[in-house]
Amino acid sequence: DSGVTQTPKHLITATGQRVTLRCSPRSGDLSVYWYQQSLDQGLQFLIQYYNGEERAKGNILERFSAQQFPDLHSELNLSSLELGDSALYFCASSAGQGKNIQYFGAGTRLSVL
Amino acid sequence: GNSVTQMEGPVTLSEEAFLTINCTYTATGYPSLFWYVQYPGEGLQLLLKATKADDKGSNKGFEATYRKETTSFHLEKGSVQVSDSAVYFCALSQDQGAQKLVFGQGTRLTINP
Repeated sequence: DSGVTQTPKHLITATGQRVTLRCSPRSGDLSVYWYQQSLDQGLQFLIQYYNGEERAKGNILERFSAQQFPDLHSELNLSSLELGDSALYFCASSAGQGKNIQYFGAGTRLSVL
Repeated sequence: GNSVTQMEGPVTLSEEAFLTINCTYTATGYPSLFWYVQYPGEGLQLLLKATKADDKGSNKGFEATYRKETTSFHLEKGSVQVSDSAVYFCALSQDQGAQKLVFGQGTRLTINP
């Protein structure tokens, strides 16, 4: 058990809808990262938050947004969903900045029908 | 930009065979290098890491050496077991700025008894 909790495990929704994925980092970790794993794109970094502030952005679509709350949990919001958004979404956390190991949650599998 | 290239899979071996999964990278500066493993239905787990040239990471019988001259971080294990069947990802992160992970495409390993 990595200590990173993601909910829900599975989400099935329709095109055009909006969903929210939730991540609770390991106790004491200040950084949260979101990654998308799809068959055609592989594992791609989406966005990072550190202690409530956005730190880095990767290949995140404008339809997607995220935030980190004062209790350090994070949410990834996906809107106007398309079939191509179907993927496994992982959250990872690390202690902070520098040479820190990232610990991954089990992921949320999103299916857009 | 930074990138990681892994040998194409899938790889199928018999129990007790020797394993090598090749990984090469392109990066500026001196990235940290990682191998992550993903067992069926689970998130990614850190297998081993190396943070500077000539470092050897090791864990559970797996080893990889950070070779700056060949920009490689090949994963090896002397005698594989059925329980090693999983998908293996090579990854790098820069130590300056955002510590996002850049992943290779993954190599699916199946060990037959």
